Amino acid sequence: NAGVTQTPKFRVLKTGQSMTLLCAQDMNHEYMYWYRQDPGMGLRLIHYSVGEGTTAKGEVPDGYNVSRLKKQNFLLGLESAAPSQTSVYFCASSQGARQPQHFGDGTRLSIL
Amino acid sequence: ILNVEQSPQSLHVQEGDSTNFTCSFPSSNFYALHWYRWETAKSPEALFVMTLNGDEKKKGRISATLNTKEGYSYLYIKGSQPEDSATYLCASSGAGSYQLTFGKGTKLSVIP
Repeated sequence: NAGVTQTPKFRVLKTGQSMTLLCAQDMNHEYMYWYRQDPGMGLRLIHYSVGEGTTAKGEVPDGYNVSRLKKQNFLLGLESAAPSQTSVYFCASSQGARQPQHFGDGTRLSIL
Repeated sequence: ILNVEQSPQSLHVQEGDSTNFTCSFPSSNFYALHWYRWETAKSPEALFVMTLNGDEKKKGRISATLNTKEGYSYLYIKGSQPEDSATYLCASSGAGSYQLTFGKGTKLSVIP
């Protein structure tokens, strides 16, 4: 059972580079989310989607863009990476707002 | 953005002890309260989603209660085992919002 799969698992970028993180879920969930985890902080929501073709801003959206062209995929983009975006990124999905979220294994991103 | 607080930040208990910790959240406009277990090097795993005042949920030795009028939830672990060692996260959402706001977690260490 794959569940939620994130790629890549690790990445090191230089300041100013761009990259895309991919999240794929095989549970036919409507809702998908991108979070970041930083030391001493709770999981913070970056962007989320409530269905194919929809996206919305979360708590910390600046510097990130997202797309949900297919129901099973949710992409997180960094157009011009900054050291402040060094973090562990988690993707999650759920069937609804009152349903439990299923998390991927995370992507550790370092920006030098 | 909601203010979700968890206490204590960390605790150590002996194997066999029972323990509990607290999550507080805004009581106005409440929608749902989630509990997750997050083991080191893994991804958060859903324990409970609670929506009704007075709700009580149980999963093996772990149970949770919810008081939406005063804005708190307790998580109880009966007869702690070393495999219960993890960080326990709670998260709350408000009505009309698809966003979960996570607390910083309670890190539990069970000493054999």
